[in-house]
Amino acid sequence: GNSVTQMEGPVTLSEEAFLTINCTYTATGYPSLFWYVQYPGEGLQLLLKATKADDKGSNKGFEATYRKETTSFHLEKGSVQVSDSAVYFCALSEYGTSYGKLTFGQGTILTVHP
Amino acid sequence: NAGVTQTPKFQVLKTGQSMTLQCAQDMNHNSMYWYRQDPGMGLRLIYYSASEGTTDKGEVPNGYNVSRLNKREFSLRLESAAPSQTSVYFCASGTESSYEQYFGPGTRLTVT
Repeated sequence: GNSVTQMEGPVTLSEEAFLTINCTYTATGYPSLFWYVQYPGEGLQLLLKATKADDKGSNKGFEATYRKETTSFHLEKGSVQVSDSAVYFCALSEYGTSYGKLTFGQGTILTVHP
Repeated sequence: NAGVTQTPKFQVLKTGQSMTLQCAQDMNHNSMYWYRQDPGMGLRLIYYSASEGTTDKGEVPNGYNVSRLNKREFSLRLESAAPSQTSVYFCASGTESSYEQYFGPGTRLTVT
């Protein structure tokens, strides 16, 4: 079956530091890949997505590239802010076979200090 | 445009009690989903509904039932709550043309 593995957390950074959160996946077909973000006390929001190999998703300064050869979709940001403190989830969806069901990683807690 | 709404926001139950979590979406999406979120385990799919009138089990369906009342509403019922069902529950919706899902704010349930 499908699975998503995220780097162990939590991650603590100082403001303006570089962020990488690793994500690798296992899937039998051709998944779409997502990063969702959950701010404290809220539901999940889509941060970015990529639907095919070599696509780069980007939003709010965050980027992730769909790497089929390494089955990875690592999240990066060049300069984090305190407001980026949240839980980040990597996810995949194999549409067409599973009605868009998402398989999530376990989540990575990011804390950014001033 | 409210997106996905859930009620209640918080609930405390005693073991053996029943309750229904309500979810509604106003985006005209065909697919709806119920997830539970537990520390260190990400989100796990409980049930989903690909269209009005259909429902299917997800990864962790035991102890739950669902009803797709109409295109807008998808409810989750706990018939006899157990402490293992203490969790945060999220409803989501999505379409066939998009690979995205849109989430509600969640219901925090505690079973004592």
